[in-house]
Amino acid sequence: RKEVEQDPGPFNVPEGATVAFNCTYSNSASQSFFWYRQDCRKEPKLLMSVYSSGNEDGRFTAQLNRASQYISLLIRDSKLSDSATYLCVVNTGGNTGFQKLVFGTGTRLLVSP
Amino acid sequence: ETGVTQSPTHLIKTRGQQVTLRCSSQSGHNTVSWYQQALGQGPQFIFQYYREEENGRGNFPPRFSGLQFPNYSSELNVNALELDDSALYLCASSFSTEINEKLFFGSGTQLSVL
Repeated sequence: RKEVEQDPGPFNVPEGATVAFNCTYSNSASQSFFWYRQDCRKEPKLLMSVYSSGNEDGRFTAQLNRASQYISLLIRDSKLSDSATYLCVVNTGGNTGFQKLVFGTGTRLLVSP
Repeated sequence: ETGVTQSPTHLIKTRGQQVTLRCSSQSGHNTVSWYQQALGQGPQFIFQYYREEENGRGNFPPRFSGLQFPNYSSELNVNALELDDSALYLCASSFSTEINEKLFFGSGTQLSVL
C-alpha cells in the first residue's frame, strides 16, 4: 500500500465548476499535511497547509480528518489557470529530526472553457 | 521565484556514468533536501542535509550521495547510472528541520540516462 494515495484523474471540469480531491495516508504518526500544485514538469509549489480545523484560502478549502487519515481539497469557481496536477503531501519526519515529505502521485485537473 | 536555483536544467548521460547535480538554497536556509520525480509519479525523498551533515535518508541505494557546503549549497552525486535514474531531480531548501517548516523547491534538473 502506498503511504499517500490519490486518484490520478484526470478530472475534466468546465470553468466555474466546483471540484474536490481526496487523499488518504497510511502513517498515523504523520504530523503535517500540505497540498502542492505542480504544472507540467515544473517544480511543486505549496498551495496550502492543511489543518484539522479546516482552512480556506480564497477559492480553496482544505480539510484534514486525522481519525480517518483523510485529506481533502475543494476548489470553487474553477479557473482555466487552475489546470495543473495537485499533490497531496504528508510530512512523516516526526520526531526523527528531519523533514521527509511523502507525496501522492498527484491528481490532474483540466479546466475547460 | 523561490530563490532556490539548480544546475544544470537538463542533462543527458549514459548508463554507468556518474553525475553531479547542484543546488543553491534560498538565503538564510540551512537545510536542503533532494527528491527524485519519475514520470507520472510524485517526488520521492532521497535525503536531507542540515548544517553539512546528512540527517535523514529515504529508500535510495548508496550510489546516491550528497554534500552540503558551508554556504549551505548542496550537491547530489549519482554513481553507476541506471536507466531508471532518468527523472526530474528536485532540490528544496528550508529555514530549519522543524516539522512544519515550509520547503521551497528549485525548478529541478531533468536527467536522461540512455
